[in-house]
Amino acid sequence: EVQLVESGGGLVKPGGSLRLSCAASGFTFSSYNMNWVRQAPGKGLEWVSSISSSSTYIYYADSVKGRFTISRDKNSLYLQMNSLRAEDTAVYYCARLLTAARAGDYWGQGTLVTVSS
Amino acid sequence: DIQMTQSPSSLSASVGDSVTITCRASQSISSYLNWYQQIPGKAPKLLIYAASTLESGVPSRFSGSGSGTDFTLTISSLQPEDFATYYCQQSYTTPNTFGQGTKLEIK
Repeated sequence: EVQLVESGGGLVKPGGSLRLSCAASGFTFSSYNMNWVRQAPGKGLEWVSSISSSSTYIYYADSVKGRFTISRDKNSLYLQMNSLRAEDTAVYYCARLLTAARAGDYWGQGTLVTVSS
Repeated sequence: DIQMTQSPSSLSASVGDSVTITCRASQSISSYLNWYQQIPGKAPKLLIYAASTLESGVPSRFSGSGSGTDFTLTISSLQPEDFATYYCQQSYTTPNTFGQGTKLEIK
């Protein structure tokens, strides 16, 4: 069974840092591109970052470029978040991407990041 | 960036009705259009990818069509579990933008 489990969320002060993790199981993680998507409270979905299966291709939303870093290792996806702002407050989801269509076919349950003083 | 515009933003319907949600891209995205369903407090669920391909396990009452800039999601014979928020997303190019969502409510 495919499973994605995020962790690492919490309350952090503006300007602080957090590292989110997404533990993958039930599939060959190294064969899939992955996404981070976030959702601010009461708002819609926002794509944050993508990483290719071999980490060769990495992309970021302008809103997080220069502050967030996506990475992966054998069975986990990460999002290092620095210089956090109040507007980064959201539930962060990791998602596995279908190879050709690049749609998120499996999603984690999400982890809440709250940036507040 | 490619802008994705969904309409309507909200919709009221009854069990058994058929509804259509539209999604328009600000430029051509070929068929790189995906539809998701989200129930409050839950992660999004993929319904349709590549504009018209039904994800495995999704009921056949869901269907998608379109290419280029104009796309539709149709739900025929609404069931109680279908009342949720629906999002389109383009995966043609980064940033992989989402529409603003369509909230489907029970009339």
